[in-house]
Amino acid sequence: EVQLLESGGGLVQPGGSLRLSCAASGFTFSSYAMSWVRQAPGKGLEWVSAISGSGGSTYYADSVKGRFTISRDNSKNTLYLQMNSLRAEDTAVYYCAKDWETVAAPDAFDIWGQGTMVTVSS
Amino acid sequence: SYELTQPPSVSVSPGQTARITCSGDALPKQYAYWYQQKPGQAPVLVIYKDSERPSGIPERFSGSSSGTTVTLTISGVQAEDEADYYCQSADSSSVVFGGGTKLTVL
Repeated sequence: EVQLLESGGGLVQPGGSLRLSCAASGFTFSSYAMSWVRQAPGKGLEWVSAISGSGGSTYYADSVKGRFTISRDNSKNTLYLQMNSLRAEDTAVYYCAKDWETVAAPDAFDIWGQGTMVTVSS
Repeated sequence: SYELTQPPSVSVSPGQTARITCSGDALPKQYAYWYQQKPGQAPVLVIYKDSERPSGIPERFSGSSSGTTVTLTISGVQAEDEADYYCQSADSSSVVFGGGTKLTVL
């Protein structure tokens, strides 16, 4: 069964850091680009970041550029999101998502994790 | 970047046809995708490449494209189709979601 399982969410103070992880199983992890997508409480979906299958190319939304870093360890079938300088507006459920077709750049997503909640508050 | 615009809400009675639109200047050049999201759940891909349906998605879900507008059509709407629906597109380096449409089944 194809599955994504996020972890690492929690409560953090403004200006703090958090590292999210996403463990993948049931597919050849390195053959697909992966993304992080977030959803603030009661709001819509917002794409955050993506990484190519090899890890050699990364992509970021303007709202997180310079603060968040996406990475992957294909030997461990795991995707990461390092979040620094967190702000209240980063509060959201963070989903990891598998690209449905492409290995190089983000396109669309056929498999999603269950999400992990990040709350930025003092 | 660019924007995708959806109506905030659509209402329909059971058995009727629901149409949800998504507009964006980039849509003639890029494929659109549609997701269904029910409360407390992750999104589910229901249409890819404007009009293709993934395996396991009921045939009542269909997609179409015309110029700068794509449309998700749900024929014979059922109570279980009540959900938020998001369109999405991508260029070579970024992904954009529409604001979402809440489908209410009366």
